[in-house]
Amino acid sequence: GESVGLHLPTLSVQEGDNSIINCAYSNSASDYFIWYKQESGKGPQFIIDIRSNMDKRQGQRVTVLLNKTVKHLSLQIAATQPGDSAVYFCAENHTGRRALTFGSGTRLQVQP
Amino acid sequence: GAVVSQHPSRVICKSGTSVKIECRSLDFQATTMFWYRQFPKKSLMLMATSNEGSKATYEQGVEKDKFLINHASLTLSTLTVTSAHPEDSSFYICSALIQGGYSNQPQHFGDGTRLSIL
Repeated sequence: GESVGLHLPTLSVQEGDNSIINCAYSNSASDYFIWYKQESGKGPQFIIDIRSNMDKRQGQRVTVLLNKTVKHLSLQIAATQPGDSAVYFCAENHTGRRALTFGSGTRLQVQP
Repeated sequence: GAVVSQHPSRVICKSGTSVKIECRSLDFQATTMFWYRQFPKKSLMLMATSNEGSKATYEQGVEKDKFLINHASLTLSTLTVTSAHPEDSSFYICSALIQGGYSNQPQHFGDGTRLSIL
């Protein structure tokens, strides 16, 4: 069935290092992907999105890479800070479907 | 921009009580809102899609009579958990899509409601 999943449930990095969070998806019709950050007790916060006609998109300290060939998505965070500690979810949908399908999440722990 | 407010943030009540949760888009109009449920250390599970002026679309396995959704205006959707029981205790989160936005757009989320049924 359709699914969006993550390779690593927990990622621990040192402050200042770069972080890479990975996500795999199975629906070949997926054409829109989003990364969300969720802090404890709060709702998901939009980080960055990418459409399937792109393979890379950059924001402030974040980069999303999309590899449609292997159905893989990654979020790169440069110079990771303690404030980046949270759970990160990838999500996807496809044309004609308004609802998102969420991955299982990765907890990012930033060590000072 | 694109702020979604959810109220209350936390509610504790006795078993058998009905609880209403509000989801408001503060600076945009939303014909479509979504309700999610999230268990501890788990991902978001879509419960239903709330459509302004029409019936909500529920996901498979979600009881529509248990989780009543009303989307009477372009800025407000409500979720009522009827006759709540301890197993309904969870974190409920709403999100909204900007009306008239491009076809692929992110959902904007509220900060959730922690529901605890004693």
